Amino acid sequence: DAEITQSPRHKITETGRQVTLACHQTWNHNNMFWYRQDLGHGLRLIHYSYGVHDTNKGEVSDGYSVSRSNTEDLPLTLESAASSQTSVYFCASSNPSGGSEQYFGPGTRLTVT
Amino acid sequence: EDKVVQSPLSLVVHEGDTVTLNCSYEVTNFRSLLWYKQEKKAPTFLFMLTSSGIEKKSGRLSSILDKKELFSILNITATQTGDSAVYLCAFSGPQGAQKLVFGQGTRLTINP
Repeated sequence: DAEITQSPRHKITETGRQVTLACHQTWNHNNMFWYRQDLGHGLRLIHYSYGVHDTNKGEVSDGYSVSRSNTEDLPLTLESAASSQTSVYFCASSNPSGGSEQYFGPGTRLTVT
Repeated sequence: EDKVVQSPLSLVVHEGDTVTLNCSYEVTNFRSLLWYKQEKKAPTFLFMLTSSGIEKKSGRLSSILDKKELFSILNITATQTGDSAVYLCAFSGPQGAQKLVFGQGTRLTINP
């Protein structure tokens, strides 16, 4: 069955370190998205991609970057982790020829100390 | 600025009750409105609504969209403890812009 996976599921890191969160999907979807979820804010869009070598900034992109070298993967990098980036991160994908529904990965809980 | 507002933010009811969750939106280019259910993990897709006044149903859950008044409701009848979750609504914009903008969510708790 097609799926979307994220790794690691939990991560603790120190302020100032570079961190990369992985997202891999086997749906063969062109669209991929990264969100963060914090209490009181719902899901907020960080970066998104509509295909290989395409990346776009979302609502809360400062301090984050992504790259898309193939269809299956969209890694999210925190260049220099800050305590404000402690959050749960969700990756999602969608089929551009389908509806707008996105399918979510299980999430990564990141703690920056 | 496009935004989605959900109400109430939190709701506690007894098993068997019927609940109505609200989602209002202010968007410049509306394409569709989506509902998701989130338990202690990833959001799972429930409904997508694009046309006003047409109800979507799935078992005890149903949803309807009013594009004139810019809101949607999610109804759950005969609630069960397994319905306890955060319910999220989101809208998507013009064709080709497949981003979603989410509301804050409604935390629903069903007590036995």
